[in-house]
Parts: sequence; structure tokens; C-alpha cells
Amino acid sequence: DGGITQSPKYLFRKEGQNVTLSCEQNLNHDAMYWYRQDPGQGLRLIYYSQIVNDFQKGDIAEGYSVSREKKESFPLTVTSAQKNPTAFYLCASSTRASILYEQYFGPGTRLTVT
Amino acid sequence: AQKVTQAQTEISVVEKEDVTLDCVYETRDTTYYLFWYKQPPSGELVFLIRRNSFDEQNEISGRYSWNFQKSTSSFNFTITASQVVDSAVYFCALSEDNAAGNKLTFGGGTRVLVKP
Repeated sequence: DGGITQSPKYLFRKEGQNVTLSCEQNLNHDAMYWYRQDPGQGLRLIYYSQIVNDFQKGDIAEGYSVSREKKESFPLTVTSAQKNPTAFYLCASSTRASILYEQYFGPGTRLTVT
Repeated sequence: AQKVTQAQTEISVVEKEDVTLDCVYETRDTTYYLFWYKQPPSGELVFLIRRNSFDEQNEISGRYSWNFQKSTSSFNFTITASQVVDSAVYFCALSEDNAAGNKLTFGGGTRVLVKP
């Protein structure tokens, strides 16, 4: 089945540690996105990638880093510089980075940092 | 700058009642898309509808219907004869032609609780 995989579903880390969230898609999409969701709020864009080896900052990129070495994969690293890392993280992809194409979302990873 | 407002944070209804979710947006673009997504307790976002700024026709899909009015910058969503399975958080979102990378701007969401 085609889709987006995010693992793990729940992740726990100690403060001060970097943590990498996985996002894989087999939809052959060029564009991929990372969003953050806080309780009672909508999603906010962290980073996006329009094509392999390219990525751009979104609205709240501070404290995060990404890579896009393969078309299928867009991992997100939450660094120790991120002041409030506890949140629900959603990965998405679309055929192209254009409003003509809808974004498909993965199941999300809930990160808790204590 | 683009903005999406969902003024209702939570709505509680009894099964079979109708429920309307409000969405008001702000944009300077003439070309844009509006979306509704459903987020059940599992957390995954489920796409419901996409409507472009040039198509103001209302749409009905089963028990769901959408009312798009450019004059009031609103894109409201109605669930008719609600069911317990409709309990979820619903998000309205906006994508602008000039936004880099096809960025989606989300509203804060409306939690719908349908009681049996």
C-alpha cells in the first residue's frame, strides 16, 4: 500500500538530548513537509523540501534540522536547542510543492521530553 | 499575511443533530485553496475537501456539506445527522499561490464531540 510512515508513534527523551523522527513515503512524491502540533492548536510548518538535497525553513525552524538525501525519506532532528520540544509531529508529502497538489499526512509521532 | 480562524474550540452535540463548523480566512492572494481535515483520536489527519478560490459552488458529500462564501471569507462545514464516529478535531486550512513551498496555514481546530 502507498502511504507515509512515521516511526515510532511515541518517543520519550531526556532534556538535552537530540532526537531524530523518521518519515518515509512510497508515493513517489517530490515534496515533503514537517509540521508541529501543540495541544489545542493547529499545525505549524517546521521545514519543507521540494526536491532531493533541497530543503527550506518554515515558520518555526529554530531548534530543528532536516536532511533529504533520498526522495522517500525526510528525517527531522529535534535538537537540544529547541526550547519546547514536547509536541505531536506530523510529516506530509505532495506530488509537487504547489497548491495544485494536496498534502497527504502520516500518522504522526508524539514526542515527550522530560 | 494569511490567517485562518476557527472561533469554536469545542462543540458538543447529541447523535443525529446537525453541527456546523465555522472557518474564516484572511489572504491577499486572489488564487488560493481552502481545505478541511479531520483528526480522529489516533492523530492522523484525514483529508476531507479542497476548494479553489474560483469555485464558490457549495458541495455535498454524503452527510458532509461545505458553504464557501468569498464575500465573507468563510468556508463553513456542516455535518448532517451526526454520528459518534464524527467525534474528532476538525481543521480548516489555507494554501496560497504565492506561499513558498505550498505551505498550509491551519486554523486552531474545532473539537466535535458527538454523544450517543
